[in-house]
Amino acid sequence: KAGVTQTPRYLIKTRGQQVTLSCSPISGHRSVSWYQQTPGQGLQFLFEYFSETQRNKGNFPGRFSGRQFSNSRSEMNVSTLELGDSALYLCASSLYGNEQFFGPGTRLTVL
Amino acid sequence: GQNIDQPTEMTATEGAIVQINCTYQTSGFNGLFWYQQHAGEAPTFLSYNVLDGLEEKGRFSSFLSRSKGYSYLLLKELQMKDSASYLCAVHPSGGYQKVTFGTGTKLQVIP
Repeated sequence: KAGVTQTPRYLIKTRGQQVTLSCSPISGHRSVSWYQQTPGQGLQFLFEYFSETQRNKGNFPGRFSGRQFSNSRSEMNVSTLELGDSALYLCASSLYGNEQFFGPGTRLTVL
Repeated sequence: GQNIDQPTEMTATEGAIVQINCTYQTSGFNGLFWYQQHAGEAPTFLSYNVLDGLEEKGRFSSFLSRSKGYSYLLLKELQMKDSASYLCAVHPSGGYQKVTFGTGTKLQVIP
């Protein structure tokens, strides 16, 4: 069974731009969660989608948004990028939202 | 909400035993996860404790005390490859609650 895949793996953007990251969960998993990981803050929860509906949301500004498609693939978008948005963005899939299987992450650098 | 506390860093010697503690405060509790994360990689699942007691999985064991809000991960016969960050994560109860991660304990195994 293929694991969680994320694209792109690396991304460099400049302040003010917007970015879209993609995540394909393990086949059969309907829950997809997104996390931001930085050295000082650890894993910070962004949001979770289940069957195309946002089920949970973390404490991030509205510049961070996401969606899930009928095939469970998910995208997250960050608009008006700031330097502080530089981080590793991890996607995790699970069957019901408990045990999570992580993708390799997208390393975003904002210059 | 949830509050999770674990030591930031630990150092242990190859072949030894190390215990990584995690304390948590949560309004509702389903279970507790432990994940391992090597530098530059995604977290990988180690264990999920729901009931009180010790669960052993090879060289790794995880303990939970629900009444004390306490868990630990025990690593035996340490190997150099065990150098990684170990993340404790709480799965709260009450509907579709998101999993909340601690900031992680960076373990360095030295010869």
